[in-house]
Amino acid sequence: EPEVTQTPSHQVTQMGQEVILRCVPISNHLYFYWYRQILGQKVEFLVSFYNNEISEKSEIFDDQFSVERPDGSNFTLKIRSTKLEDSAMYFCASTLGLAGQETQYFGPGTRLLVL
Amino acid sequence: GEDVEQSLFLSVREGDSSVINCTYTDSSSTYLYWYKQEPGAGLQLLTYIFSNMDMKQDQRLTVLLNKKDKHLSLRIADTQTGDSAIYFCAEETGGYNKLIFGAGTRLAVHP
Repeated sequence: EPEVTQTPSHQVTQMGQEVILRCVPISNHLYFYWYRQILGQKVEFLVSFYNNEISEKSEIFDDQFSVERPDGSNFTLKIRSTKLEDSAMYFCASTLGLAGQETQYFGPGTRLLVL
Repeated sequence: GEDVEQSLFLSVREGDSSVINCTYTDSSSTYLYWYKQEPGAGLQLLTYIFSNMDMKQDQRLTVLLNKKDKHLSLRIADTQTGDSAIYFCAEETGGYNKLIFGAGTRLAVHP
């Protein structure tokens, strides 16, 4: 069964460093999402991406964040200058479309720890 | 804004039924979802319900939707130790179908 994959599974970085989290969505999917989950808290929406541009973003998704689909398969989340509070599990999701029963499929997550 | 609320903890005996409750705010949500998260793992889609349905049954899982009260529940019949996990309710909202999650209900199943 097709699945969303994410790399790395864990990343440790120093405050102020840039990190890039990578996702490979399901191959025929068209809509892509990033969510994050701070330890013990809710899963929060960050951004949605369609047709090579951001379609919606939350208040969390400030200028330190960016997303890109550099080729036909990868979808990346970049955090330009990490802060301690960026420590969280980051989930990528994808869906084929918006109509009908097109559910979002989630990747296993990348656990980011900022020291 | 959109919000989803869940009770935080539920403890049941193995073999009993579990009922996890959720309330949501966006009456225009088309789909509502239940996801399961085991320790250290990602989000596994369990089931979903379309907003014009009252009930959906899928093997041991029954989802009930009260659209008037914006209340969603997940019943797990014959709960097993392998069902121990955190269960997230989520509503789909907005033009690009972002998901708004509840805080999750931790289900503990004991012998």
